[in-house]
Amino acid sequence: GQSLEQPSEVTAVEGAIVQINCTYQTSGFYGLSWYQQHDGGAPTFLSYNALDGLEETGRFSSFLSRSDSYGYLLLQELQMKDSASYFCADEGEGTTDSWGKLQFGAGTQVVVTP
Amino acid sequence: DADVTQTPRNRITKTGKRIMLECSQTKGHDRMYWYRQDPGLGLRLIYYSFDVKDINKGEISDGYSVSRQAQAKFSLSLESAIPNQTALYFCATSDGLGTANEKLFFGSGTQLSVL
Repeated sequence: GQSLEQPSEVTAVEGAIVQINCTYQTSGFYGLSWYQQHDGGAPTFLSYNALDGLEETGRFSSFLSRSDSYGYLLLQELQMKDSASYFCADEGEGTTDSWGKLQFGAGTQVVVTP
Repeated sequence: DADVTQTPRNRITKTGKRIMLECSQTKGHDRMYWYRQDPGLGLRLIYYSFDVKDINKGEISDGYSVSRQAQAKFSLSLESAIPNQTALYFCATSDGLGTANEKLFFGSGTQLSVL
């Protein structure tokens, strides 16, 4: 089995940096994905980490530490449009049958204030 | 046009009614999924299909059924709707390259309310 834990809400001002942590407990692990969702709209893929370390995509970066069962999403130079929910997800279970069957954390609501 | 289209966008129904939510995709993906989203619980997998002849239960399949009519179409049915099935339902697809890191593409969702 598995579970992913992330904070429920984070508030920050425009231009700031926000880090959203995700800890996982899974019997098998391939990698950690991050998705963004605006106001109940369609979730959209942001990033994926299979190996330890930092992956950078523009203002957003994602980090993974397998030894600590921990990852984070880093949002830099926050903009108002970054106000959204952010979900970590993994495929877990450690078998090829779990590929594509993403299981999601409960999500972190990021509120960006002027 | 959206690559993954869900209909209807909103539906209000009564307890005991049979409801079908439809999903179609133009991405040419083999893999399709139905997720349910409740406040504070994230997205939970209901059913998934890795090709037209393959249907599998997810973590919360009780009370639901699915039909994969074609590669492009995957419908979700609630045989006898109950109020705790009130939720936001998402259909998703992936290209099924057979590796980890499946990137999911989601539809815009169907908000279902069961009274």
